[in-house]
Amino acid sequence: EVQLVESGGGLVKPGGSLRLSCAASGFTFSSYSMNWVRQAPGKGLEWVSSISSSSSYIYYADSVKGRFTISRDNAKNSLYLQMNSLRAEDTAVYYCARETSGIEYSSSSHYYYYYMDVWGKGTTVTVSS
Amino acid sequence: SYELTQPPSVSVSPGQTARITCSGDALPKQYAYWYQQKPGQAPVLVIYKDSERPSGIPERFSGSSSGTTVTLTISGVQAEDEADYYCQSADSSGTYPWVFGGGTKLTVL
Repeated sequence: EVQLVESGGGLVKPGGSLRLSCAASGFTFSSYSMNWVRQAPGKGLEWVSSISSSSSYIYYADSVKGRFTISRDNAKNSLYLQMNSLRAEDTAVYYCARETSGIEYSSSSHYYYYYMDVWGKGTTVTVSS
Repeated sequence: SYELTQPPSVSVSPGQTARITCSGDALPKQYAYWYQQKPGQAPVLVIYKDSERPSGIPERFSGSSSGTTVTLTISGVQAEDEADYYCQSADSSGTYPWVFGGGTKLTVL
């Protein structure tokens, strides 16, 4: 069974740090890009960060750039998110998500596709004094 | 920054057809994807590449695209379809492909 299980969430004070983990199973983890997506209480989904299969390409949302660091260990089938300088607005459920991506070619053009086809159940981060 | 616009809410009676729209300037050039999220649960992919349905998703879920608007259609809505629905796509350059719409709450009356 394809599965993603997040851990590491909790209560932290503003300015503090937290490291989230995501354990993958049931698929070849090293073949997929992975993402972190968060959802603040009562709000919508917000993409946080993405890492390619070999860690060659890493992207961050502007809201977390310079404070969060995404990484992965393919030998351990694990994804991580190091969160520093946490703010109240970082309070959210953090989801780990597998990305399926690629390119489709037609006679006249090409189209990239990126979507998240497997999601974990999430881990809750609360930033409060 | 690029935005995808969805109506905050859509209401429909059981057995009727629900249509949820998502608008964005880059949609003529970029695929769209749809996720369903029930309360307290993780999102689930229900449509990818505008109109493809993952295995295990009921046939009553379909997607379409026209210009700057994509539409998720749920035919013969059932009570279990009540959920939040989010579209996702990329900006015109494809630099940031993980843009989500604000979400639409589907209420089954």
